[in-house]
Amino acid sequence: KQEVTQIPAALSVPEGENLVLNCSFTDSAIYNLQWFRQDPGKGLTSLLLIQSSQREQTSGRLNASLDKSSGRSTLYIAASQPGDSATYLCAVKGGNSGGSNYKLTFGKGTLLTVNP
Amino acid sequence: EAGVTQFPSHSVIEKGQTVTLRCDPISGHDNLYWYRRVMGKEIKFLLHFVKESKQDESGMPNNRFLAERTGGTYSTLKVQPAELEDSGVYFCASSQDLRWRTDTQYFGPGTRLTVL
Repeated sequence: KQEVTQIPAALSVPEGENLVLNCSFTDSAIYNLQWFRQDPGKGLTSLLLIQSSQREQTSGRLNASLDKSSGRSTLYIAASQPGDSATYLCAVKGGNSGGSNYKLTFGKGTLLTVNP
Repeated sequence: EAGVTQFPSHSVIEKGQTVTLRCDPISGHDNLYWYRRVMGKEIKFLLHFVKESKQDESGMPNNRFLAERTGGTYSTLKVQPAELEDSGVYFCASSQDLRWRTDTQYFGPGTRLTVL
């Protein structure tokens, strides 16, 4: 059964700092990995999607890397801003042991607070 | 283009009552998913429709939960009778691509269900 772990559970940083969020998964036979952002009371917004054949994806100040063989991904946020404050979720699709072709398996998320 | 919408945004009911959640996917999206997040836990997959057919309902907790998608458009998720442990946020997602490797799911804002 695929399991996703995110570390740290919460992170508080001053504005302008560069930071890294971590995600690990137990079954490396994934099809893709996705990072989401969730604001309080809102839905999930997809930030970056990395296919299993890719090593990284970049969007603006965000960079996500994927090391499929070791079951790890990182989300790097450069020059953090108060508006980045949210919960960041990692989700994988697939995995030999129980992951269907379509369903996403989520981690619990990292609650990020960027202080002005 | 309108996103995934869910109704109601919040529902408070007493144990033993019935509640029906509704999801309207993005127009033209054949795939529709239900997920749930209970307090302190990760978001978990409940089921997946392709048009009006249930493709995968392996995540449905028990037979008190009934999901339908008549006509392949909107979907309802009924909980009858509701129990305390059903409290949580129910998310709906939809996607267009039937090729599961490149399928990108778009999430709604969720329905927060509180069972007293």
